[in-house]
Amino acid sequence: DGGITQSPKYLFRKEGQNVTLSCEQNLNHDAMYWYRQDPGQGLRLIYYSQIVNDFQKGDIAEGYSVSREKKESFPLTVTSAQKNPTAFYLCASSPGQGNSGNTIYFGEGSWLTVV
Amino acid sequence: AQTVTQSQPEMSVQEAETVTLSCTYDTSESNYYLFWYKQPPSRQMILVIRQEAYKQQNATENRFSVNFQKAAKSFSLKISDSQLGDTAMYFCAFMNIQGAQKLVFGQGTRLTINP
Repeated sequence: DGGITQSPKYLFRKEGQNVTLSCEQNLNHDAMYWYRQDPGQGLRLIYYSQIVNDFQKGDIAEGYSVSREKKESFPLTVTSAQKNPTAFYLCASSPGQGNSGNTIYFGEGSWLTVV
Repeated sequence: AQTVTQSQPEMSVQEAETVTLSCTYDTSESNYYLFWYKQPPSRQMILVIRQEAYKQQNATENRFSVNFQKAAKSFSLKISDSQLGDTAMYFCAFMNIQGAQKLVFGQGTRLTINP
């Protein structure tokens, strides 16, 4: 099946630890994104990548890091520098710049809880 | 920077009624996309409808339609013959056509359809 796969669905982290959320897509999309959602809130952009080996900071990039070594993969690392990491994280992808009717599609999300 | 405002935090209607969700946005761009996404309790973000700003005709998808008023920067969603499965958070979102194609979200409207 084509789509965006995020793992794990639920993750618990101890304070001071780094954790990595996986995001894989088989839609052959050029662009990928990470959003954060806090309870009762809208989505805020963490990082995005429009092409392999390139990525840009979004609105709330502090305490996070990403890589884009392969077109289909865009992992997000939540570092110990992120002071309030408990949230729902959504990965997304889109066909990319220059494609008509650009629409962003989302994975099922990952819950991260700091314990 | 673009902003998106949803002024109705919560709405509730009876099944089979028609409901309209409001959204306004602020941008200096002339070409852009607007979206409505639905987020049911599963938290999956589902695309409901998309509107290209250069198109005067309002987009429709079955029971879902929009009222796009470009001059007023308004983009409301109308749900006709509402169903219990329409119960969800609804997010309005904006995307520039030029430059980095990323979504800016409103805060969301929690819609409850009552039997």
